[in-house]
Amino acid sequence: EVQLVESGGGVVQSGGSLRLSCAASGFIFTKYDMSWVRQSPGKGLEWVSAITGRGDRTFYADPVRGRFTIFRDNSRNTVDLQLNTLRVEDTAVYYCAKGAGIGSYPLDSWGQGTLVTVSS
Amino acid sequence: SYVLTQPPSVSVAPGQTAVLTCGAGNIRTKSVHWYQQKPGQAPVLIIYYDTNRSLGVPERFSASKSENTATLTISRVEDGDEADYYCQVWEQDSDHFWLFGGGTKLTVL
Repeated sequence: EVQLVESGGGVVQSGGSLRLSCAASGFIFTKYDMSWVRQSPGKGLEWVSAITGRGDRTFYADPVRGRFTIFRDNSRNTVDLQLNTLRVEDTAVYYCAKGAGIGSYPLDSWGQGTLVTVSS
Repeated sequence: SYVLTQPPSVSVAPGQTAVLTCGAGNIRTKSVHWYQQKPGQAPVLIIYYDTNRSLGVPERFSASKSENTATLTISRVEDGDEADYYCQVWEQDSDHFWLFGGGTKLTVL
């Protein structure tokens, strides 16, 4: 059974940093690309970042490019998201999601999310 | 930029059919995926590559696509179908490669 467990959320002041982590199990981690998707309170889903299975390519949404960095450790089956220069509008639940590939592939498994609150 | 347009809300009585739409230019050329998110829970992939149901998704859920509209149809709606539904496509020329619609809240009356 695929399991994705996020951690690292919390309250941080505007301009601060936070590192989120997602621990994966139940599948061959290196074979799958991983994404982070966020959801602001009462709002819809917004894709944030993705990384290929080998970790050799990364992708970012425009609102976070240059501030967020995605990493993965295939020896530990984890994918992290480093959040820097945080803004109030980054407040959201951040979900880790497993993808079948880069391109027209769905996000087929999701974690339960971790809440990031950025205060002004 | 490419935008997926979903009606904010749809209401339907139990046992009736709910039709949820996802509109965008030339969506016919893209693979559309649908996610269901129940209150307080993470999203779940329910339809992938336009028409394929994920494992465990009832046959009451079906999907189709035309030139500019993807449609999720839920037949014989049950109370447990009340949720937010999101369509999603890959759009390389967008500022978000994995692009989601704004979501539709399905209310079962």
